[in-house]
Amino acid sequence: GENVEQHPSTLSVQEGDSAVIKCTYSDSASNYFPWYKQELGKRPQLIIDIRSNVGEKKDQRIAVTLNKTAKHFSLHITETQPEDSAVYFCAASIFGGSQGNLIFGKGTKLSVKP
Amino acid sequence: EAGVAQSPRYKIIEKRQSVAFWCNPISGHATLYWYQQILGQGPKLLIQFQNNGVVDDSQLPKDRFSAERLKGVDSTLKIQPAKLEDSAVYLCASSSPTSGNIQYFGAGTRLSVL
Repeated sequence: GENVEQHPSTLSVQEGDSAVIKCTYSDSASNYFPWYKQELGKRPQLIIDIRSNVGEKKDQRIAVTLNKTAKHFSLHITETQPEDSAVYFCAASIFGGSQGNLIFGKGTKLSVKP
Repeated sequence: EAGVAQSPRYKIIEKRQSVAFWCNPISGHATLYWYQQILGQGPKLLIQFQNNGVVDDSQLPKDRFSAERLKGVDSTLKIQPAKLEDSAVYLCASSSPTSGNIQYFGAGTRLSVL
């Protein structure tokens, strides 16, 4: 089955710096890669996603890149702000399939210092 | 639109007791998921429903966990008897093709087994 590895487990940056979180997946059939942000005690919220027919997607300060050959994808946050502090999870699934359940990484705790 | 509703938010029980969690998905979402999130880890799928049918319950510990979605809307997840290692946050999510098959999560139920 699918296995998703996520690094680093913790990341501390200064406000205004960039943050990069990397994930690798094992199942070449996976074609959908969402990123969720989870603040302490709150629900995971989708912040950006990418499908395997696209190599990069950007939404304001957030971007995701996908390398299908190497089976890895990354989240890039530019101009970080204190409110970006949270745990970020990457996930992989076979989108649109009969199951489509998400396999999550273990998460990255991002701390943005003012 | 209203989000995924879960109750209770918190539950403390002793080992060997039983407990039930309730989920009301986003209106019109046919697919419903239950995930278990142990502290410091990403969510792990327990069971997936499509309307009132089970699509995937391969990771549900069926000797103690059960779930139902009798009318294809609300769902209940039960643990009987609970073990210490069941302490976790139980997240419900729902999705629909009309919403791009994106999984929207509830706030979860935090279970502590003493």
